[in-house]
Amino acid sequence: DIQMTQSPSSLSASVGDRVIITCRASQDISRCLAWYQQKPGKAPEALIYSASSLQSGVPSRFSGSGSGTDFTLIISSLQPEDLGTYYCQQCKSYPVTFGGGTKVKIK
Amino acid sequence: EVQLVESGGGLVQPGGSLRLSCAASGFTFSDHYMDWVRQAPGRGLEWVGRTRKKTNGYTTEYAASVKGRFTISRDDSKNSLYLQMNSLKTEDTAVYYCARVRDNSWYLDLWGRGTQVTVSS
Repeated sequence: DIQMTQSPSSLSASVGDRVIITCRASQDISRCLAWYQQKPGKAPEALIYSASSLQSGVPSRFSGSGSGTDFTLIISSLQPEDLGTYYCQQCKSYPVTFGGGTKVKIK
Repeated sequence: EVQLVESGGGLVQPGGSLRLSCAASGFTFSDHYMDWVRQAPGRGLEWVGRTRKKTNGYTTEYAASVKGRFTISRDDSKNSLYLQMNSLKTEDTAVYYCARVRDNSWYLDLWGRGTQVTVSS
């Protein structure tokens, strides 16, 4: 199975800050990676697919990059509504696997 | 409205069975692979399994933790996805989400709100 490791596991940042979340795959997954946001008490929602493509309706302050084993999700200017937990997910091979999540808190 | 709505969750004893349903609307259900994903209390997301569409033989994939106990099926005529869960264990306690797989990009682009399954004596 492909292991997905996210860091940090949690972070606290101020409104307007640039936030960077990383995800590392245990083997090469090319660009078969998605990012999801889960707000408290809600279902996850897709933010980014194919490592860097923005899901329709997602604000442009979210961006993704990377390929192979190392990936990054960037929130260019953190907003209050961005609080929640962020997950990466690989789609290269079965079983589909998620990272452990990064909890984003607002200072 | 494009949506997925899960139902069928509840409290069940260890060793028992439960069948979850997911009703799809607002899109052509038969065109999509569909997944089940679960989330144990206070934990992260865990992929449960997938059903492919008719043109791919309705074949399925499962996580090792549920293989042999859970079965995913679908009824395209009813726009519905199902998860039959047998031999339930306390560690199966979770919110269960159904999700649509985006063709060719293989990510989950639409999620339901989830249904709670609690396995306890």
